[in-house]
Amino acid sequence: DGGITQSPKYLFRKEGQNVTLSCEQNLNHDAMYWYRQDPGQGLRLIYYSQIVNDFQKGDIAEGYSVSREKKESFPLTVTSAQKNPTAFYLCASREETYTEAFFGQGTRLTVV
Amino acid sequence: AQSVTQLGSHVSVSEGALVLLRCNYSSSVPPYLFWYVQYPNQGLQLLLKYTTGATLVKGINGFEAEFKKSETSFHLTKPSAHMSDAAEYFCAVSGKDTGRRALTFGSGTRLQVQP
Repeated sequence: DGGITQSPKYLFRKEGQNVTLSCEQNLNHDAMYWYRQDPGQGLRLIYYSQIVNDFQKGDIAEGYSVSREKKESFPLTVTSAQKNPTAFYLCASREETYTEAFFGQGTRLTVV
Repeated sequence: AQSVTQLGSHVSVSEGALVLLRCNYSSSVPPYLFWYVQYPNQGLQLLLKYTTGATLVKGINGFEAEFKKSETSFHLTKPSAHMSDAAEYFCAVSGKDTGRRALTFGSGTRLQVQP
């Protein structure tokens, strides 16, 4: 089945550690996105990539980094510079600008 | 620039009653509009979308929405609520010619269905 796979589903991080969230898609979509979801705030865009080896900052990129070495993969690293990383993270992909985005099942990150 | 406003963070209806979730958007270019549904601890699932053409759009699970350009609105409706409709709903906008080709989301509306 085609879709987007995020792993792990739950992740715990100690303060000061970097962690990487995985996102893989087999939909052959060019564009991929990372969103952060907090209660009552909807989804906020962290980073996006429209093509391999290129990515752009979204609205809340500070404390995060990404790479896009393969079309299928768009991992997100939450660095120790992110002061409030506890949240639900959603990865999405999209074929073209006018189409809908498809979402993964999310990763819930908790700082312990 | 684009933005989405969803009026009402929580909406409660009785089973069998009309569901109306409100969405107003702002976009400097012709918008593409979407409604998504999210169940707890899951990703988002597309309910319906408006790109061009007919302004009344039908989606899955009996939902529909009407694009009203003059009112910059895209409200979501369902004639008769079912218990399984309880979830969080997000309205989103995307502009055709914007440099940033990402969906912008509203803050969401949590729908509660009372038996």
